[in-house]
Amino acid sequence: DTAVSQTPKYLVTQMGNDKSIKCEQNLGHDTMYWYKQDSKKFLKIMFSYNNKELIINETVPNRFSPKSPDKAHLNLHINSLELGDSAVYFCASSQDDRTGGFTFGSGTRLTVV
Amino acid sequence: GNSVTQMEGPVTLSEEAFLTINCTYTATGYPSLFWYVQYPGEGLQLLLKATKADDKGSNKGFEATYRKETTSFHLEKGSVQVSDSAVYFCALSEGGKLIFGQGTELSVKP
Repeated sequence: DTAVSQTPKYLVTQMGNDKSIKCEQNLGHDTMYWYKQDSKKFLKIMFSYNNKELIINETVPNRFSPKSPDKAHLNLHINSLELGDSAVYFCASSQDDRTGGFTFGSGTRLTVV
Repeated sequence: GNSVTQMEGPVTLSEEAFLTINCTYTATGYPSLFWYVQYPGEGLQLLLKATKADDKGSNKGFEATYRKETTSFHLEKGSVQVSDSAVYFCALSEGGKLIFGQGTELSVKP
């Protein structure tokens, strides 16, 4: 059983389109995250949700909108895609960030053409 | 704010060589420290962790010690294998999130 699963794994789309990435975790964790990894492998947090409530919202363009229908799911919707949005997006979950570490999904590689 | 700095990569080693990847951090408190590993095409996996000063985390032959006096958490392995080729990330916990270093790519040649 995959602990944190994301779909799709690859996403190629044209500029200006709207797309969504879905994430589900079966670990029973209370907190879920979206991270963005750029072409240099640098990882930066975008959002976190704790039990469906938005906790962290870094300086991300408002074209990005997370949605958490329940604590096991966190989706990311992106409007009006731009070339600079091309990256790998990772979903993660955690029960206790201090001691437990995070469990990451395998990533969604988004390419905007 | 808090930050993590890792040594620049890529690091290329021969099999059975000794590995050190340096990591230093800046933090106002005493965060937990982590090493994550990312194999090609995969997500990040927790490799080891330490939650307080002088703690040593270890896993799969890798180890790192939380040094408060030098604000460091260097990753070491006595004898690397080709299968250890990956990108390694040092990270600290802060305010409910992980802050990552820039990653160090390791390539091990047979």
